[in-house]
Amino acid sequence: AQSVAQPEDQVNVAEGNPLTVKCTYSVSGNPYLFWYVQYPNRGLQFLLKYITGDNLVKGSYGFEAEFNKSQTSFHLKKPSALVSDSALYFCAVRDGSLADGLTFGKGTHLIIQP
Amino acid sequence: DSGVTQTPKHLITATGQRVTLRCSPRSGDLSVYWYQQSLDQGLQFLIQYYNGEERAKGNILERFSAQQFPDLHSELNLSSLELGDSALYFCASSVEGGNTEAFFGQGTRLTVV
Repeated sequence: AQSVAQPEDQVNVAEGNPLTVKCTYSVSGNPYLFWYVQYPNRGLQFLLKYITGDNLVKGSYGFEAEFNKSQTSFHLKKPSALVSDSALYFCAVRDGSLADGLTFGKGTHLIIQP
Repeated sequence: DSGVTQTPKHLITATGQRVTLRCSPRSGDLSVYWYQQSLDQGLQFLIQYYNGEERAKGNILERFSAQQFPDLHSELNLSSLELGDSALYFCASSVEGGNTEAFFGQGTRLTVV
């Protein structure tokens, strides 16, 4: 079985400061990892993914994430937060050896304070 | 705009009733996924179709069923509805499964009263 943990329900960051949203995963086979963002009353928007290759993945809106196999983590980062980054962020995993949907974490509310 | 269209946006119905949610995937996408988002369960994968065939099943109740038609649109049928079925239902599509990212529609908010 696969699972995702997002240990923080909420992360507060001042505008202009770096941000990190944490994610750890558990999967039997090779992990395919994704980050999505959800704004109020909207669907999920894809930010970035890790399938294979370079451990540092760059995505939309200046976000990046680092895959760490030994720590089974895939933390989302941004060097300088914007107020418009405030939203609900989901980490998701799929076992690359299976035909399956994504398993999502519970989500982390990111609040950027002006 | 993700290119995935879901209808209707909102649906209010009574317990015991049956409803159908519709999804049109992005042009060219062969895979369609259905997810349920609720406050207590979070985002849960229900079912995946690929080019008309069921490919993977998640936590889908027996009262729920889905299909993907030859034009690749998909429908999720929910029957014998209970209060606990109230949730946001998302459809997502991707070119194929596996390592390709899925693009989500804006969802159908189902309220069972």
